[in-house]
Amino acid sequence: GESVGLHLPTLSVQEGDNSIINCAYSNSASDYFIWYKQESGKGPQFIIDIRSNMDKRQGQRVTVLLNKTVKHLSLQIAATQPGDSAVYFCAEGSGYALNFGKGTSLLVTP
Amino acid sequence: NAGVTQTPKFQVLKTGQSMTLQCAQDMNHEYMSWYRQDPGMGLRLIHYSVGAGITDQGEVPNGYNVSRSTTEDFPLRLLSAAPSQTSVYFCASSYGGGDQPQHFGDGTRLSIL
Repeated sequence: GESVGLHLPTLSVQEGDNSIINCAYSNSASDYFIWYKQESGKGPQFIIDIRSNMDKRQGQRVTVLLNKTVKHLSLQIAATQPGDSAVYFCAEGSGYALNFGKGTSLLVTP
Repeated sequence: NAGVTQTPKFQVLKTGQSMTLQCAQDMNHEYMSWYRQDPGMGLRLIHYSVGAGITDQGEVPNGYNVSRSTTEDFPLRLLSAAPSQTSVYFCASSYGGGDQPQHFGDGTRLSIL
């Protein structure tokens, strides 16, 4: 079946550096992608989304890049802060649901 | 605006017991869904609803029932709890399904002994 996966399970960055979290997807028919942040004991929180007719979308300190040729999605966080420490999930739209990857744990060190 | 509210936050059950996990949203969203999250894994879809009176199965529906009598509420029922159902359960709602951001509650942490 189709799957959404992440290249790295954990990522450690220094405060102030930029972070890049990667995600691979296998369903070439997917046309909607989304990133969530999940803090300990909380539900997933929407960060940013992108549709397949775009290859880049920017938010506040975050950028999502979509490369449909290699079926790759990435989340870039600028000037990473301690409050960015969390698990980050990518997901792709699949019919009436979202198909989630396993998550990347981002640890921001001082 | 409360968003998506889940109750209870924590629950411990014995094998074979039944219970209902409650989910309510106040955003007038048509679409609601239930996911479970196990350690080191992403969220897996259990059941979803595209509107009042309409429900359908997701990836892992066995052992769970749902109903949608109102737009606001989407309860999840465990008829006979099993240890394999120990998990964190998340309810979500959105204007659409797989092409819109889904808004999540803070989860119910369920342990089956």
